[in-house]
Amino acid sequence: QSALTQPPSASGSPGQSVTISCTGTSSDVGAYNYVSWYQQHPGKVPKVMIYQVNKRPSGVPNRFSGSKSGNTASLTVSGLQPEDEGDYYCSSYAGSNMDIVFGGGTKLTVL
Amino acid sequence: QVQLVQSGAEVKKPGASVKVSCKASGYTFTKYGLSWVRQAPGQGLEWVGWVSSRNDRTNYAHKFEGRVTMTADTSTRTVYMDLKSLRSDDTAVYYCARDDWNLFDYWGQGTLVTVSS
Repeated sequence: QSALTQPPSASGSPGQSVTISCTGTSSDVGAYNYVSWYQQHPGKVPKVMIYQVNKRPSGVPNRFSGSKSGNTASLTVSGLQPEDEGDYYCSSYAGSNMDIVFGGGTKLTVL
Repeated sequence: QVQLVQSGAEVKKPGASVKVSCKASGYTFTKYGLSWVRQAPGQGLEWVGWVSSRNDRTNYAHKFEGRVTMTADTSTRTVYMDLKSLRSDDTAVYYCARDDWNLFDYWGQGTLVTVSS
């Protein structure tokens, strides 16, 4: 399975909104409503921010939201804060075996 | 509280094997499978495979099939990942993560595996 496609970088000023896309195919993102998003700060363990396309685990601020249209999933961060800076990865089930595939990651910079 | 504690860093020569462990606590072990995810230096996340904690079921990423074996020991609440025929590009931090339908909600601290001659 090929990796999902994410933009390598995204940025925004504090208080602004930014959306990160995650493009797959009809065999992964388009086939399953099991898209997750992870945030990773340098040297730290990844943390789940969104699961099942648009659900937020407890403790994740409601500034983080997820959506999906066709083969593309999106993560939107509203009201950007400095602590939102980091790397973001999407993941999805893929294929009939339900393998898991990650996106290449997007480095989010808060200007 | 849920914890996943992994074994320590390893240095291996090309062609060797490595076995990384992940001991779970704080939840009903057999209720969740575990996935292994790796991250090469400066690179992104890569799923290695999944192992059931209640039976012998596994699901490995295609690129690792034939080289990886994942097992679970319910008596010790420990999951193992055995990777053989190591190459330099297997150098990475290997994470175990509790897997609830592609929701990796708890992660181990990571185990650095270095493959070098």
